Amino acid sequence: AQSVTQLGSHVSVSEGALVLLRCNYSSSVPPYLFWYVQYPNQGLQLLLKYTTGATLVKGINGFEAEFKKSETSFHLTKPSAHMSDAAEYFCAVSDTGRRALTFGSGTRLQVQP
Amino acid sequence: EAQVTQNPRYLITVTGKKLTVTCSQNMNHEYMSWYRQDPGLGLRQIYYSMNVEVTDKGDVPEGYKVSRKEKRNFPLILESPSPNQTSLYFCASRTGVANEKLFFGSGTQLSVL
Repeated sequence: AQSVTQLGSHVSVSEGALVLLRCNYSSSVPPYLFWYVQYPNQGLQLLLKYTTGATLVKGINGFEAEFKKSETSFHLTKPSAHMSDAAEYFCAVSDTGRRALTFGSGTRLQVQP
Repeated sequence: EAQVTQNPRYLITVTGKKLTVTCSQNMNHEYMSWYRQDPGLGLRQIYYSMNVEVTDKGDVPEGYKVSRKEKRNFPLILESPSPNQTSLYFCASRTGVANEKLFFGSGTQLSVL
């Protein structure tokens, strides 16, 4: 069975500061890893994904994530936070049969002016 | 415009009264799925479908039914709703390829009294 752990249900940063949202996964096979973002009253949108190849993945809105197999991590970063980044972020991993997508419990990002 | 359409957006009902939440996608996607979102628990998969007439249970299928008679539609049925099914529900779809992104509907907020 696969699982995802997101450390920190709430993260608060100042505008212009580094954003770091943590995600650790467990999977018995090489995983597909995703970050999704949910803005208020909306469905989820894909930020970025890792499938194979380069371990540093760039996504939309200046976000990036690095797949570290040895640490079973896929942390999301952005060098400089913007007010519009305030949202809930979900890390997800695909299962061994590549059918279901398992989500973490989410991290709500607050950006202070 | 490519989209996943869920209806209704909000629904209040009483215990035991059968209800259906509809989901339709216009992208000819093979894979469709239902999730429920609860605070602190993230998104949990209820059911998914790999194609027409092919459905399978997710992590929390109890109390729910689905059907996939047509490729574009994937309704979620609650035969006898209970208060613990009060939640925010999302339908999602993607191509048959597991590393492709999910497209989400806008959600259905269900309250069971």
